Amino acid sequence: DTGVSQNPRHKITKRGQNVTFRCDPISEHNRLYWYRQTLGQGPEFLTYFQNEAQLEKSRLLSDRFSAERPKGSFSTLEIQRTEQGDSAMYLCASTPGGANYGYTFGSGTRLTVV
Amino acid sequence: AQSVTQPDIHITVSEGASLELRCNYSYGATPYLFWYVQSPGQGLQLLLKYFSGDTLVQGIKGFEAEFKRSQSSFNLRKPSVHWSDAAEYFCAVGTEDSNYQLIWGAGTKLIIKP
Repeated sequence: DTGVSQNPRHKITKRGQNVTFRCDPISEHNRLYWYRQTLGQGPEFLTYFQNEAQLEKSRLLSDRFSAERPKGSFSTLEIQRTEQGDSAMYLCASTPGGANYGYTFGSGTRLTVV
Repeated sequence: AQSVTQPDIHITVSEGASLELRCNYSYGATPYLFWYVQSPGQGLQLLLKYFSGDTLVQGIKGFEAEFKRSQSSFNLRKPSVHWSDAAEYFCAVGTEDSNYQLIWGAGTKLIIKP
């Protein structure tokens, strides 16, 4: 069990650029979640995969955001045409069952849009 | 709608003193309750969780929490804090009808005085 891995740890990008983050969950965990966390706040749910199927997307996830989980393994979160308001910590978590099992989180990707 | 309130934004405690962090939730039934800890720049680590049964639950790092249905509370306690406990603590709630996401409090930052 190597835990949940997220890359990169930090990303600084200019406004208007596209960015992509990667999450590698714990291998036997079939559920994968993306959260966004801004300073001084708790995480906010973005989207959720069960295996390769994206089953839920938050209204926070605008059309500029897209997430994939091909083959039910790693996942990517892409933000197109980044805005300063996208600056946040993006957290990935996985669980072998429902959220009631409790998540295992990665260390997150800190995005700064300048 | 479910909500989670952590009324204390910051708490300062002397090393070796006892600690109690408050968490109140709003939900019609008994939710699933969690406490997570986040060190600066890191992801979230599960401290403990409550689903049913004994209302006093033990977690990692010497933490415990007590579920009080009458008060809709799930307060986190530790009898003697260590400097390494300085971090941000988040309470979260999951429900049967939201098996894909947790609702999070805004967090309480714990500061340890030497």
